[in-house]
Amino acid sequence: SSELTQDPAVSVALGQTVTITCQGDSLISHYASWYQQKPGQAPTLVIFGYNKRPSGIPDRFSASYSENTASLTISGAQAEDEADYYCNSPDISGSPWLFGGGTKLTVL
Amino acid sequence: QAQVVQSGAELKNPGASVRVSCKVSPNTLRTLYIHWVRQTPGQGPEWMGGFDPDDDATVYAQRYQDRVTMTDDTSADTAYLEVRSLRHDDTAVYYCVVLGTYTRRKYYFQYWGQGTLVTVSP
Repeated sequence: SSELTQDPAVSVALGQTVTITCQGDSLISHYASWYQQKPGQAPTLVIFGYNKRPSGIPDRFSASYSENTASLTISGAQAEDEADYYCNSPDISGSPWLFGGGTKLTVL
Repeated sequence: QAQVVQSGAELKNPGASVRVSCKVSPNTLRTLYIHWVRQTPGQGPEWMGGFDPDDDATVYAQRYQDRVTMTDDTSADTAYLEVRSLRHDDTAVYYCVVLGTYTRRKYYFQYWGQGTLVTVSP
């Protein structure tokens, strides 16, 4: 099966913009979903479809795509955005669902 | 918004089995597609299996298909995950997840339960 690859850690200054990337062959034909996970909590959905946000997710979260890479952008990062972020998509073969290894976002 | 409430933490001996339950909002289980995801300490989530609406069947990740069974009781609005022959490295938080759809044949993991910690230790 294929994989989804994320950078392990990213940092951003408070109020600045940060982009978290997710790379994998499955993303050529599938959109990624993105999940935020804070310590001791379950993941929560922040982006699905091409660039859709569930109710309650601030519009500073957005998604984009280029070839086999999906990106999650946080425009004007807030202290409460500090968390682990995971991408997820269906696989093109074998196990139907993949998760990236996660990116730990630190807001400075 | 779907409510998803899982059973409490479990401590099991190696070789034993565990059953985790996932109760959803009343009278909704028939309309929901339930999946199970686990997360070992310090690692990312890992998909274990769930109901595939396009195949109209429960599908399992290859590495779990011999040890895991996913079932449901619609009369109790509860889904179940059973893991057999537990090993130390099965120690993880197990999540029940409701599959959402935004267009035909396109899905995402919409609602997550709070997670159930299963600890495997003698």
